[in-house]
Amino acid sequence: GAGVSQSPSNKVTEKGKDVELRCDPISGHTALYWYRQSLGQGLEFLIYFQGNSAPDKSGLPSDRFSAERTGGSVSTLTIQRTQQEDSAVYLCASSLDQYNSPLHFGNGTRLTVT
Amino acid sequence: DQQVKQNSPSLSVQEGRISILNCDYTNSMFDYFLWYKKYPAEGPTFLISISSIKDKNEDGRFTVFLNKSAKHLSLHIVPSQPGDSAVYFCAASPGGKLTFGQGTILTVHP
Repeated sequence: GAGVSQSPSNKVTEKGKDVELRCDPISGHTALYWYRQSLGQGLEFLIYFQGNSAPDKSGLPSDRFSAERTGGSVSTLTIQRTQQEDSAVYLCASSLDQYNSPLHFGNGTRLTVT
Repeated sequence: DQQVKQNSPSLSVQEGRISILNCDYTNSMFDYFLWYKKYPAEGPTFLISISSIKDKNEDGRFTVFLNKSAKHLSLHIVPSQPGDSAVYFCAASPGGKLTFGQGTILTVHP
């Protein structure tokens, strides 16, 4: 069956530009998560959604980062005025619900800010 | 404040032998623990999980052990195969978001 799909797979942008990253979760999964992995680092939590609500935004690094989810399905992560330190692999995951269900990850979007 | 720690950045094992990957955590609210495997340019893949009411969970060649008093979990892979070579992440949750360790690079030599 279809897994978590992320687009684009790679994005190169100039410093100061805005970018939008998209995530299509597994159908029927109510919980959706965004993580990022910087070079040589572990997975850093950004935000998660239960349905269209975001109960935990505590991982967003600054107010340049925002995310939304519509129809309980697709989510977009937006980074405004990108900086070089935003360069990382942005991973999306979904799970059946928020209570002790494994997260299933997409292959990520590799963002490079030049 | 790193709540989930994998103190070994890398591990090298001979094919057919046992691989033991370790993970420590500090948050006593964690009650669900998972192991993920990650290949380059791919997202992490779920391997096995364990809830805090158990101390062992087995799935084929993979077994996860949980020692709540020591706040320690481990993943045993036996027998190890070259295709197991990847980065392994442990993760923990109190329900909701997962907190990940830094990962251990496992290399299984033929």
